[in-house]
Amino acid sequence: DQQVKQNSPSLSVQEGRISILNCDYTNSMFDYFLWYKKYPAEGPTFLISISSIKDKNEDGRFTVFLNKSAKHLSLHIVPSQPGDSAVYFCAASAPGAGSYQLTFGKGTKLSVIP
Amino acid sequence: GAVVSQHPSRVICKSGTSVKIECRSLDFQATTMFWYRQFPKQSLMLMATSNEGSKATYEQGVEKDKFLINHASLTLSTLTVTSAHPEDSSFYICSARDGHRRDRRDNEQFFGPGTRLTVL
Repeated sequence: DQQVKQNSPSLSVQEGRISILNCDYTNSMFDYFLWYKKYPAEGPTFLISISSIKDKNEDGRFTVFLNKSAKHLSLHIVPSQPGDSAVYFCAASAPGAGSYQLTFGKGTKLSVIP
Repeated sequence: GAVVSQHPSRVICKSGTSVKIECRSLDFQATTMFWYRQFPKQSLMLMATSNEGSKATYEQGVEKDKFLINHASLTLSTLTVTSAHPEDSSFYICSARDGHRRDRRDNEQFFGPGTRLTVL
């Protein structure tokens, strides 16, 4: 039972355009969401996060939107750059004793075409 | 950001041997370290959570006698894959959480570069 779903395994976007990566979750206990970026043969690096008390968080070219009623979040990258080409993982955590544990989606491979 | 290293980056071994993977936090104290496994085109699957000085907590379906975890210090955790078999071939990644951070809003896990294990 996958609690965090990234239904698009890949996405291609032209340089300069907007990239939108989507993530859905099923566990209503999740209250903190993170996006990680991963290059081949490297570990994931933290990109941006959002708490469930917010519906938007922005950091430079990256914006994460959270729709709690739909249990959906999205990562917007604008403008997209070739260096953004990587696999993006959505992750979530729930409060409680294991609140530092993360549940990951399968990832979406973003290719930004020059 | 904080740096986490893993060693070795790749290892090829024969079936039946044991392999040890080290995970180190280089510039912070990691009271909690996590071990993940990633199969091709799959998500990172949490195997176990390790707290310094105590026994690791394993996720359901992960054999604790096969995947031995030792978190002996605030900067080092090791994962030993005992009697490795071809189905254990995978990408193993560790992450560490800065123990000085108390606020979950700063719930960042810093990941190591991963270890590619191939069991022949």
